[in-house]
Amino acid sequence: SQQGEEDPQALSIQEGENATMNCSYKTSINNLQWYRQNSGRGLVHLILIRSNEREKHSGRLRVTLDTSKKSSSLLITASRAADTASYFCATDAGGYQKVTFGIGTKLQVIP
Amino acid sequence: DVKVTQSSRYLVKRTGEKVFLECVQDMDHENMFWYRQDPGLGLRLIYFSYDVKMKEKGDIPEGYSVSREKKERFSLILESASTNQTSMYLCASSSHTGSSYEQYFGPGTRLTVT
Repeated sequence: SQQGEEDPQALSIQEGENATMNCSYKTSINNLQWYRQNSGRGLVHLILIRSNEREKHSGRLRVTLDTSKKSSSLLITASRAADTASYFCATDAGGYQKVTFGIGTKLQVIP
Repeated sequence: DVKVTQSSRYLVKRTGEKVFLECVQDMDHENMFWYRQDPGLGLRLIYFSYDVKMKEKGDIPEGYSVSREKKERFSLILESASTNQTSMYLCASSSHTGSSYEQYFGPGTRLTVT
């Protein structure tokens, strides 16, 4: 069962612009993560935000979490061609550190 | 550098064959996971294991089984491959330690069943 849904499903921007991706989920969570996947490869963890946090930064990444709206956003500032990838949100899904992934946003950064 | 490896990047099998996908992690992680990824469906959990010889069904276990005889190795078995099991298979691992849910992924195996 998919917990998270990313929006938009695809996004195309020029290099240097900011990219914003959104994730909505259905049930209460303890934490939410964002992952990146380059074409045909495995996923790489980007950032985790806990339910008691509202905003978190890591380099050019900014993540917000609004538990009242059950939504999160990932902002990539000053995008680069190397940021071209699919981005997934993942919410905790019970014990053993299980998570549930969304369908993903495909980001294309045009040089 | 942490590492999760998968036995093959690409695999082509025939309908009805028994298929083994192997995953090895070198981080001494307790948890290991198998996902399949299909366009428009994202990642779906097939099985996971939280300890040696322990396994739990995920969201789509039908047609699959798993084996975890050693902590570092988690195998996914397709008992009788079918064309609807053509997919990208991703293995991941994570640690019980603390409250980190970060999963480390292998590069994936693209399986084609003809």
